[in-house]
Amino acid sequence: QKEVEQNSGPLSVPEGAIASLNCTYSDRGSQSFFWYRQYSGKSPELIMSIYSNGDKEDGRFTAQLNKASQYVSLLIRDSQPSDSATYLCAVNISGNEKLTFGTGTRLTIIP
Amino acid sequence: GAVVSQHPSRVICKSGTSVKIECRSLDFQATTMFWYRQFPKQSLMLMATSNEGSKATYEQGVEKDKFLINHASLTLSTLTVTSAHPEDSSFYICSARPIARDDNYGYTFGSGTRLTVV
Repeated sequence: QKEVEQNSGPLSVPEGAIASLNCTYSDRGSQSFFWYRQYSGKSPELIMSIYSNGDKEDGRFTAQLNKASQYVSLLIRDSQPSDSATYLCAVNISGNEKLTFGTGTRLTIIP
Repeated sequence: GAVVSQHPSRVICKSGTSVKIECRSLDFQATTMFWYRQFPKQSLMLMATSNEGSKATYEQGVEKDKFLINHASLTLSTLTVTSAHPEDSSFYICSARPIARDDNYGYTFGSGTRLTVV
């Protein structure tokens, strides 16, 4: 079992709809969770970080964390074509400074 | 805040030569920086953890003599690809996180270096 798993997609969502991206992780002791967006040929940029169970909202983005189910998700409301990118879920495995990344989900917003 | 600068952004070198990539934290100090490599359409692969003032920690399968890492100050880490070969062609990205963390700071990435070995 991979430490961090994501559906590789591609995921296609109509413009204006909600895009839902999911991620599961294997280490129950994980404490920090991050969502990054990566455009083709560019480096990842941080979208959201979440540390506690529940929802965290920032503009059109909402991160959801459920530690009991070892599940973290990212919702993008009012999807825009500029949201088309690969979204990487990253987890800070307990007791370790480094991040473990999922393989990423490629999201395409259809105008 | 939390800006990481990486240079060069793109480099083409001849096979057998060495290439140095710099990673600087511009507005924060970082005792630890991370070096990743990304092949086309693949996710990031952690190569090594750079520790200020001490030896880097390499991931399994990464040759420490080929990928030399130096972290001489709290704001600068360098990766040198020695005796580069075409199979080393990849996108190299560094990452760092402020020493003083809070919920607003994740790990910030540099802009990456596209290395092509011919």
